[in-house]
Amino acid sequence: AQSVTQLGSHVSVSEGALVLLRCNYSSSVPPYLFWYVQYPNQGLQLLLKYTSAATLVKGINGFEAEFKKSETSFHLTKPSAHMSDAAEYFCAVIATGGGNKLTFGTGTQLKVEL
Amino acid sequence: KAGVTQTPRYLIKTRGQQVTLSCSPISGHRSVSWYQQTPGQGLQFLFEYFSETQRNKGNFPGRFSGRQFSNSRSEMNVSTLELGDSALYLCASSLGTEAYEQYFGPGTRLTVT
Repeated sequence: AQSVTQLGSHVSVSEGALVLLRCNYSSSVPPYLFWYVQYPNQGLQLLLKYTSAATLVKGINGFEAEFKKSETSFHLTKPSAHMSDAAEYFCAVIATGGGNKLTFGTGTQLKVEL
Repeated sequence: KAGVTQTPRYLIKTRGQQVTLSCSPISGHRSVSWYQQTPGQGLQFLFEYFSETQRNKGNFPGRFSGRQFSNSRSEMNVSTLELGDSALYLCASSLGTEAYEQYFGPGTRLTVT
């Protein structure tokens, strides 16, 4: 079964610093990969998705992620953190041919400090 | 275009009762998926409906059921509620297959007492 592992349940960065949230997937076949963000008391908002068209994927709000098959990773980055980026981030995977069943990681809570 | 809407947003029920949650997808979307989010188990897939047919099902007991109507609106039902069913229930809609983005609604917060 497809799965994703998010390293670090809590990450803290200073405003203006690089944001790096880690995600590793388990699959012998490149799956579809997604990053979602959840603000308190809200649903999930799609940041970006990987569907094999390009290994570097640009998303909304200045986020991007790079698909690295050799490392089975799909880490999320943002060059400069903003206070409004404080939220919980989820990496998710869909197996090819798996319909729309998203399997989520356990989430990473991002804190941005002044 | 209006986003995914879910009703009600908050619900309090008593153990043993049943509950029905509603989800209206983005116009033109034919796939609706349901997820349960709890602090202990995280985000878990319940089921997916596409063109009124259940296409995928997660590992939940039969007390959890759903359906989709011809206008793509979907409902999920939980019978004989247990305390452990307290959760945020999220609905997501998509145009079709896994290559398409899934857009989530704000969720229904269910509290079982």
